[in-house]
Amino acid sequence: DQQVKQNSPSLSVQEGRISILNCDYTNSMFDYFLWYKKYPAEGPTFLISISSIKDKNEDGRFTVFLNKSAKHLSLHIVPSQPGDSAVYFCAARHTGANSKLTFGKGITLSVRP
Amino acid sequence: EPEVTQTPSHQVTQMGQEVILRCVPISNHLYFYWYRQILGQKVEFLVSFYNNEISEKSEIFDDQFSVERPDGSNFTLKIRSTKLEDSAMYFCASSSSGQHSPLHFGNGTRLTVT
Repeated sequence: DQQVKQNSPSLSVQEGRISILNCDYTNSMFDYFLWYKKYPAEGPTFLISISSIKDKNEDGRFTVFLNKSAKHLSLHIVPSQPGDSAVYFCAARHTGANSKLTFGKGITLSVRP
Repeated sequence: EPEVTQTPSHQVTQMGQEVILRCVPISNHLYFYWYRQILGQKVEFLVSFYNNEISEKSEIFDDQFSVERPDGSNFTLKIRSTKLEDSAMYFCASSSSGQHSPLHFGNGTRLTVT
């Protein structure tokens, strides 16, 4: 049962351009959404998050957009840099303090110099 | 910046043996988690732990698994009798209190069961 879906397994973009990573969810009880970045042989690193009361959160080059009616969120990276090449996981948590995170399968982003 | 540390980085064990995976969460965090990722698959929740007891566990976390916080700093995952299908990366994570506190993950232990 895939409650968090990242349907595109990979994305390749040119350095300096925008990267848009998409994520869909099915559980309407989710109210907090996170993006993690993962390099090989390392654990997931927290990148940015958004709560369901917002539709946008920005942190430097990273912006997350949330469309609750469509149960869709996206991560925008602009400008993309070669060091951004990694696997990006979307994760969601439902109402309830510190409940578990449910992860998507991840998207491999490659940023070409 | 404080980080979650896990040891060992790689553990090889024979089927049927017991293994203990160790984690030192971030010191002021109160919530602790174990996740695993089988090669090529998604990161899966195993168990969460708060106030010295399990707060939630998945169907994967059966009687072969246990967790413990033996002192004020360590958080361990024990697999009593390993199976081939337990081979995976095991990630420990911790978070502070608050509904919108992100989980911070360690670099994982690669468990190989032969």
